[in-house]
Parts: sequence; C-alpha cells; structure tokens
Amino acid sequence: RKEVEQDPGPFNVPEGATVAFNCTYSNSASQSFFWYRQDCRKEPKLLMSVYSSGNEDGRFTAQLNRASQYISLLIRDSKLSDSATYLCVVNRGGYSTLTFGKGTMLLVSP
Amino acid sequence: SAVISQKPSRDICQRGTSLTIQCQVDSQVTMMFWYRQQPGQSLTLIATANQGSEATYESGFVIDKFPISRPNLTFSTLTVSNMSPEDSSIYLCSVELSAGTNEKLFFGSGTQLSVL
Repeated sequence: RKEVEQDPGPFNVPEGATVAFNCTYSNSASQSFFWYRQDCRKEPKLLMSVYSSGNEDGRFTAQLNRASQYISLLIRDSKLSDSATYLCVVNRGGYSTLTFGKGTMLLVSP
Repeated sequence: SAVISQKPSRDICQRGTSLTIQCQVDSQVTMMFWYRQQPGQSLTLIATANQGSEATYESGFVIDKFPISRPNLTFSTLTVSNMSPEDSSIYLCSVELSAGTNEKLFFGSGTQLSVL
C-alpha cells in the first residue's frame, strides 16, 4: 500500500458545484496533515492544514478520520479558479518528513 | 510565509553536463529541502540541506549525483551532476517556517529541467 493515495481524477464539475476529495494514508503514526494546491507548471502552495476536529476556511472544509486513516477536502460553490491539482500531504512521523500524494486534478467548467 | 527565489526557472541541458540550481530565501530559516517532481509523480524529497554540514539524503539519492551546499541560513544550491534524460524533472526548493509537528512547507517556483 502506498504511503499516501489519492484518486488522480480529473474531477470535472460545473461552477457552483460541491466536490469532495479523499486521501488515504498508511502510517497510523502520522501526526499532521495538509492539503496543498498546485497549479499547472507552478509550485505547490499550502491550502490548509487538517486538524483532528475538522476545520473550515471559507468554501473549503478539511476533515481527518484517524480510525480509517483518511483525510478529506470539500469545496463548496466551485469557482473556475479552483481548477488545479490538490495534493494530500502527510507527516509520516519523523521531524520534517512529509509525504506527498500524487494529487487529484479538479477541472471546474463554466 | 517567506519569499523564496529559485533560479534558473527552466533549462535545457545536454547529457553528461551538470546544472546548479540556486535557492535564496528572504529570511533566515533552519530547515531547507530539495524536492523532485517527475512528470505525473508525487513530490519526492531528495535531501535536507543542513547549514554548516553535509546534507542528509533520502534513500535513492546520493551526494555524488546531487551535491548540495548550504553556506548560510538563507541560501542553498542543488547540483544535478552528469545528467541523463531520466533527470528531466521539476526541482523544487522548500523551507519550513514552523517547528514541531505542524511543519508547513513553502516552495520556490521550481526549476524545470529537460535533459536531451
């Protein structure tokens, strides 16, 4: 099993739709979790951290399920500008040892 | 966040040559890293650039192939040596701005390398 697994997509959704991505991780000792966004030919940028209690930032909601070892990202009211690849990132337990998923591609159409 | 300047942004190189990528940060940071992102693949950590000592390489990466310098807390270089087409990739410098379990990485804009 890969350390961090994501559905590569692409997810094609119309503007205004709600879309959710899941990500599973294999190391039960993982301590911290993040979602990054990567636009085509650009560097990854931190979108949000994922906390055990779940957290929300505007249209974005992230949740963590430690028992099932997955994290999710929910995007409400999708915008064209949300089109990007979303990377699931997990700290596998060591200091500064982050593991990246391959990413899920989102395409929002008019 | 930090301003991370990485150069060159892209290069096309001949097989057998070497390329040095520079990463400059606008503030002093303890942790700097070099990642590689091959087409269709996830980011893979090459090494941690340690200030004043040899870099710490991940499995599958060696100093002879990817020598790294870290002369101070704001600057690092990665050299891709004796390049082959398999080295064609995006190379990313990154820094960590918080310690402990809530590591947050910020990335430079990347160097897109194509080896002919």
